[in-house]
Amino acid sequence: ILNVEQSPQSLHVQEGDSTNFTCSFPSSNFYALHWYRWETAKSPEALFVMTLNGDEKKKGRISATLNTKEGYSYLYIKGSQPEDSATYLCAFHQGAQKLVFGQGTRLTINP
Amino acid sequence: NAGVTQTPKFQVLKTGQSMTLQCAQDMNHNSMYWYRQDPGMGLRLIYYSASEGTTDKGEVPNGYNVSRLNKREFSLRLESAAPSQTSVYFCASSEYMGGSSYNEQFFGPGTRLTVL
Repeated sequence: ILNVEQSPQSLHVQEGDSTNFTCSFPSSNFYALHWYRWETAKSPEALFVMTLNGDEKKKGRISATLNTKEGYSYLYIKGSQPEDSATYLCAFHQGAQKLVFGQGTRLTINP
Repeated sequence: NAGVTQTPKFQVLKTGQSMTLQCAQDMNHNSMYWYRQDPGMGLRLIYYSASEGTTDKGEVPNGYNVSRLNKREFSLRLESAAPSQTSVYFCASSEYMGGSSYNEQFFGPGTRLTVL
């Protein structure tokens, strides 16, 4: 079973501050990397699916970068808002269909 | 569109009882998945179905069986429930077109199962 590591496990940030966290994955046999946002009492929702080395994706104040050669992806949130409080999951494709999820980074925005 | 629906939302079983978790999607996706989520463990794949008529094991298949009833529905069965199967179960679906086309997974609301 592949290991997908996310750090930190939890993070508290002041409203208005920017933050980032990391997903590390095996650098061999890369297919794609997913980022999901998971709010308490809801279901995970996709943010990005990234496939190419050097990919950079953006959705509003959230962006992500991908380095497949060294096996990491960063998720950035600019100007954190209370509604950004959630657990952020990354998932690595093990083969074409199967996803291996990291444990997530739990982000809390303090007003 | 309802997206991905799951029934039931909550269930309490006694050790040794059996039950089936139901999942349906209305997005015409070809791939469907069952995950379990445990504290500190993240989401772990139990079984998946790449297309109607096919199923494959994921990371933690022991103690479970699945049926891809048709393109819309994918059920998960616990034949003899054990306390270790206490978890939250999520169903998901996605459209995999083959090649290098990788699409997001859409998740259902989850089923919270407790086995006493």
